[in-house]
This record gives sequence, structure tokens and C-alpha cells, in this order.
Amino acid sequence: GQQLNQSPQSMFIQEGEDVSMNCTSSSIFNTWLWYKQDPGEGPVLLIALYKAGELTSNGRLTAQFGITRKDSFLNISASIPSDVGIYFCAGQKETSGSRLTFGEGTQLTVNP
Amino acid sequence: DTGVSQNPRHKITKRGQNVTFRCDPISEHNRLYWYRQTLGQGPEFLTYFQNEAQLEKSRLLSDRFSAERPKGSFSTLEIQRTEQGDSAMYLCASSVYTTGHGYTFGSGTRLTVV
Repeated sequence: GQQLNQSPQSMFIQEGEDVSMNCTSSSIFNTWLWYKQDPGEGPVLLIALYKAGELTSNGRLTAQFGITRKDSFLNISASIPSDVGIYFCAGQKETSGSRLTFGEGTQLTVNP
Repeated sequence: DTGVSQNPRHKITKRGQNVTFRCDPISEHNRLYWYRQTLGQGPEFLTYFQNEAQLEKSRLLSDRFSAERPKGSFSTLEIQRTEQGDSAMYLCASSVYTTGHGYTFGSGTRLTVV
């Protein structure tokens, strides 16, 4: 099935560093979402974006909905060990009902 | 209500056997979704219910797969004649709204076909 192009695939950083990951698509999405998944658990929503150009923050997390509606990025500032996990972007199209299309994920490792 | 509940958490089955998974959504959520996630990939949409009506099915949902939500509450996903390629995490989610903002995922059922 179609998936979004998410990069990087993995990141190894030191505690306190900032992190940036992004997601691109060849088609337009009306909603962009960022999820975090811990091992053996389902994804948990971090940030939802509904409008092109929108910049939204949730604590140390900031995400933007690209102007073209074909991309989004997520920044994590001052990383801490509990940020470890897999981060997924997901897009939703108006024409696809409630279906979400996910990226392949970014595995984040934070070294204390 | 503590969230979306999925049972069992793990299932190991022999190739060719049938398996059934159950999902109990958040009680006030009328929309229920099934996704499949293989190792190293993001979740992929399988099917979606609004109340008891199955409104959308992915091409990933072959004839061996069937999902039901008989009373608009819990849902079951059955896989007949399992194949090794069916090994994956099967995730259920529920929501009130049509936007992804309202999704709550369960912890999933990990299926291993040997």
C-alpha cells in the first residue's frame, strides 16, 4: 500500500540535542499527524496539523504542515532519554474518509 | 473505560489454521479501524466500521480476511488458512471524529505464523 516517505530512518543522538525528521508525499493530504510508538504498544498521537503552513507545538515538540500540503516536519528540542521510540508521520485525505496513510517511521535513540 | 482493548496480545499459530482477534473500542466511539503493521514499517489500513457498517476495505484485505462489528461495539478480525506472510502486528483504533485527531490505538495483537 501507499506509504509516505519519512526520513531519516534512524537517528542516534546525545541527550540534550535537538532532533528533526520529515515526511514527504507525492500527493496532497488535508491533515498531517505525528505519532510515537513504543515497543509492543500502539501509536500515540503527538501533534495534529489541519492547515497548510500551520506550525504547532506540544511541549518540546514542534511540527509544521507544509505549504504545498505534501510534506511535514517534526522537531524535538532538548531531547531526553524517554524520547526513545519510533516516530511516525501520517496523512489523511479528504477523499479517503477516515483512512490514515503512515510513513515508515524514524527510530530515535537518545544516549544519556 | 481505559482505552482500546485488544485480545489476545500475542498469538502463535501453525500455517493453515484460522485465527480470530477481538477489539473493544472506547465506549462512546462509533468508528473502529483495523490496521496491520509489519516489522520496520508503519501501520497499513485494512478496514473501517462506522457503528456496525463496514464502510471501507483495503485491497490488503484478501478473501481470507473478514472483519465484523455485529452490534456496533466490539469487533473481530478473522484470518482463515493463515500464511507466514500474515505474521504482523494487528492494530485496532477507534474514534468519534472523522479526522485522525480522534484516533486512539490499542496495543495490538502480535500474530506469528509458523
